[in-house]
Amino acid sequence: DAKTTQPPSMDCAEGRAANLPCNHSTISGNEYVYWYRQIHSQGPQYIIHGLKNNETNEMASLIITEDRKSSTLILPHATLRDTAVYYCIVRPLTDSWGKFQFGAGTQVVVTP
Amino acid sequence: EPEVTQTPSHQVTQMGQEVILRCVPISNHLYFYWYRQILGQKVEFLVSFYNNEISEKSEIFDDQFSVERPDGSNFTLKIRSTKLEDSAMYFCASHRRSVHSYEQYFGPGTRLTVT
Repeated sequence: DAKTTQPPSMDCAEGRAANLPCNHSTISGNEYVYWYRQIHSQGPQYIIHGLKNNETNEMASLIITEDRKSSTLILPHATLRDTAVYYCIVRPLTDSWGKFQFGAGTQVVVTP
Repeated sequence: EPEVTQTPSHQVTQMGQEVILRCVPISNHLYFYWYRQILGQKVEFLVSFYNNEISEKSEIFDDQFSVERPDGSNFTLKIRSTKLEDSAMYFCASHRRSVHSYEQYFGPGTRLTVT
C-alpha cells in the first residue's frame, strides 16, 4: 500500500528553487518523513528527514505541515546535477535500521 | 568520504548459471541490505542482514537467493540459478547502528543481465 503520493514529474529552471510536494495523509505519530534521490540508475542517495519540525541541511530544506499530512522538499538553487528521481518515504522511528520502501517518486528535470 | 563499493559494475550471465554479487560496506557499519531495481521499475527491498544473520527478507528473496558476510569486509548476494527475470540493477546498502543515524548508504549498483 502506498503511504505517500508524489507527482510523477516536474520541471525546474536552473538556479531557481525546486519545490517537491509529497502527501502522506495516513502518517502515524511515530513515523518520520525521509527524502532520497536517485540520479540515473545510480544508488539512491539520502537527502534529509524530519518528524514534525522543519529541517535544513546542506542539500535541501524539508517543510512539514502542522498536521503532518504533507511535506515539501525544497532544493534552494537547482542545478543540472539535481536532475533525478526524488522519493518521499515514511518510516517509523523504531525501524531506523529496517528497509526503505521506495515508490515511483517524482522525476525532476532541471533545465538550463 | 567513505562509500559503499560494489563489484562487478556489470555482470552478464546465462540463464541457470550461478552469480555472486559483491559489496564492501562502509567499515563501521553493522547493518547491510540488498535492493534491486528492474529497468523502469521501483527500487525493491530484498534482504537485510545483521550480526551474521538475515534480519528481514522480502517475498522476492526465495531459496534461489542467499547472502553471506564471508569476512570482515565483504557482503555478497548469490543467485544460485539465474532466471531471465533476475535481470536488474542490484544495490547494496549499509547502515551504522545508531539512533542518531538515519540514512542508509547505497552503493553504485551491479547491473545483472541474464541471457
